[in-house]
Amino acid sequence: DIHIIQSPSSLSASVGDTVTITCRASQDIANYLAWFQQKPGKAPKSLMYAASSLEGGVPSRFSGSGSGTDFTLTISSLQPEDFATYYCQQYDSYPRTFGQGTKVDIK
Amino acid sequence: QVQLQESGPGLVKSSQTLSLTCTVSGDSINSDDFYWTWIRQTPGKGLEWIGYIHNSGRTYYNPSLKSRVTISVDTSKNQFSLKVSSVTAADTAFYYCAREMQFWPGNIAYWGQGAPVIVSS
Repeated sequence: DIHIIQSPSSLSASVGDTVTITCRASQDIANYLAWFQQKPGKAPKSLMYAASSLEGGVPSRFSGSGSGTDFTLTISSLQPEDFATYYCQQYDSYPRTFGQGTKVDIK
Repeated sequence: QVQLQESGPGLVKSSQTLSLTCTVSGDSINSDDFYWTWIRQTPGKGLEWIGYIHNSGRTYYNPSLKSRVTISVDTSKNQFSLKVSSVTAADTAFYYCAREMQFWPGNIAYWGQGAPVIVSS
């Protein structure tokens, strides 16, 4: 299985801040990485695929980068609705695997 | 708009079989383009991918669960189902059904709202 290390596990930030979340895969996954946002009591919501392509309707303050083994999700100018938990997932090979999540809360 | 909805018992006794169904609307489960997927989430292990079924009947299961998992499809009802046998407390989780693209971009874009399942002794 491909192991994904996601960091940090949590962070505190203020509205307007820029935050960065990283995922590192245990082997080369090209750009087969997705990002999800999950709010309490809700299912994960797809934000991004292919490491840097936004799903329709996702604000442009979300951006992704990386390829191979190292990836980042950046949220610029954090908004109140962005406080949530974020997960990365590799879909290069089966079984699909997820990072452990990063909880973004209000400072 | 594609929608997926899980249904099934929320309480299962230890050693018995957990059964969930996902009803798909806004899309045909007969499409060759998708893998119909089950994922579960626990506070301890996070998100765990369980497996998928394609409309051709092809399946792939997570090796960690393979001996206990069966995913099947009912095209007449536009549903797919999950069975996990010999459950223990470790199978207590939120269970999600989801749709993964078989072709580019290959990601999971749609999830059901999730179904909580508690395994009791």
